[in-house]
Amino acid sequence: GAVVSQHPSRVICKSGTSVKIECRSLDFQATTMFWYRQFPKQSLMLMATSNEGSKATYEQGVEKDKFLINHASLTLSTLTVTSAHPEDSSFYICSAWRGGQVWPGELFFGEGSRLTVL
Amino acid sequence: GQQLNQSPQSMFIQEGEDVSMNCTSSSIFNTWLWYKQDPGEGPVLLIALYKAGELTSNGRLTAQFGITRKDSFLNISASIPSDVGIYFCAGHLNHGNNNDMRFGAGTRLTVKP
Repeated sequence: GAVVSQHPSRVICKSGTSVKIECRSLDFQATTMFWYRQFPKQSLMLMATSNEGSKATYEQGVEKDKFLINHASLTLSTLTVTSAHPEDSSFYICSAWRGGQVWPGELFFGEGSRLTVL
Repeated sequence: GQQLNQSPQSMFIQEGEDVSMNCTSSSIFNTWLWYKQDPGEGPVLLIALYKAGELTSNGRLTAQFGITRKDSFLNISASIPSDVGIYFCAGHLNHGNNNDMRFGAGTRLTVKP
């Protein structure tokens, strides 16, 4: 299957600092990438949809100034948590959509990034 | 965002038993996907369904895309301990240049040896 890589897998930061998480599609071009947040024992909560070359579309209740998303190329999207606070501690997961002419496409997930804000 | 209705929320079964879980939606989708997530990792794609009525197998897994395009089920036969994890359904709708994905709340599977 296709590979989507996230970095870093774990990050610990101090309150008030900003953290950037990268999501890369390693063997395909992804015009659309998604960012999710997952709390323990809960489902994936879609935060935003990121289309290459355009502004991300944020889900209701997600602060766009808090969670900055950039999708500058077909293989890279970044999520920056600005001025992080302890309540931002969570597991963040990205996914990338691999489209195709024959198949409608598939969605592949990164390994996730665990953010801990002290 | 809108979640799909996935059931059951959790299952506790004995090794060797069969498992069935399903997802329903009030909206139609073009694609249904089933994922498994192990603790601390990202979801891994198990089965993708592209046509209404499609029945697809992957080893001990079988999934079907409902004829109405609003539901899907996943069956696991002869469960084994490594089947433990959280299973998510996802529906995808492509409209224009936009990809709309929605997820079920997950089914947490526990398999007792």
